Amino acid sequence: DTAVSQTPKYLVTQMGNDKSIKCEQNLGHDTMYWYKQDSKKFLKIMFSYNNKELIINETVPNRFSPKSPDKAHLNLHINSLELGDSAVYFCASQRGLQETQYFGPGTRLLVL
Amino acid sequence: SQQGEEDPQALSIQEGENATMNCSYKTSINNLQWYRQNSGRGLVHLILIRSNEREKHSGRLRVTLDTSKKSSSLLITASRAADTASYFCATLNTGTASKLTFGTGTRLQVTL
Repeated sequence: DTAVSQTPKYLVTQMGNDKSIKCEQNLGHDTMYWYKQDSKKFLKIMFSYNNKELIINETVPNRFSPKSPDKAHLNLHINSLELGDSAVYFCASQRGLQETQYFGPGTRLLVL
Repeated sequence: SQQGEEDPQALSIQEGENATMNCSYKTSINNLQWYRQNSGRGLVHLILIRSNEREKHSGRLRVTLDTSKKSSSLLITASRAADTASYFCATLNTGTASKLTFGTGTRLQVTL
């Protein structure tokens, strides 16, 4: 019973390609997030959705487009992938806006 | 700029010893959270301490918060090899609703 799951776990692709990563949570939470963790382990928020509405949109290139079809899912589509997009992308969910966040296992993206 | 800065960046101790990690931050917070990340895995929530609390315990973990110094510490007592991981503090800043800002992390190595 994985609380927050992400697919795929690993993604290796060529520069210029378009790819999507998916996240699902079965916790009944209202809020979901995407984070990017770089090679130095620094974790930075990218987007947040609350009840399918975008509430946080950090300074992220518009090649990144999140989509939340329902409260339990938050997907991340990336167009025209660049070398610098290589990182681990984590999804997280949260019950209330000030509570604990539950993280998925991460998607390791490598752009060649 | 980063909100949380952990100190030390890396810590190596022997099993049975105590490990102390510190986190400093810059702005007013609603709460501060500590997370653990095992190598190649997602983040696991450890403790949340609110701005009006000074100390919290959970098993072998003890967290303190000093809002006047804008700092927090995480103490792991009687460490075990399984405690080997990276530890991150994250602050929920006042006025930002749901945005967690993560520190740079402390890499803890517990040897037998």
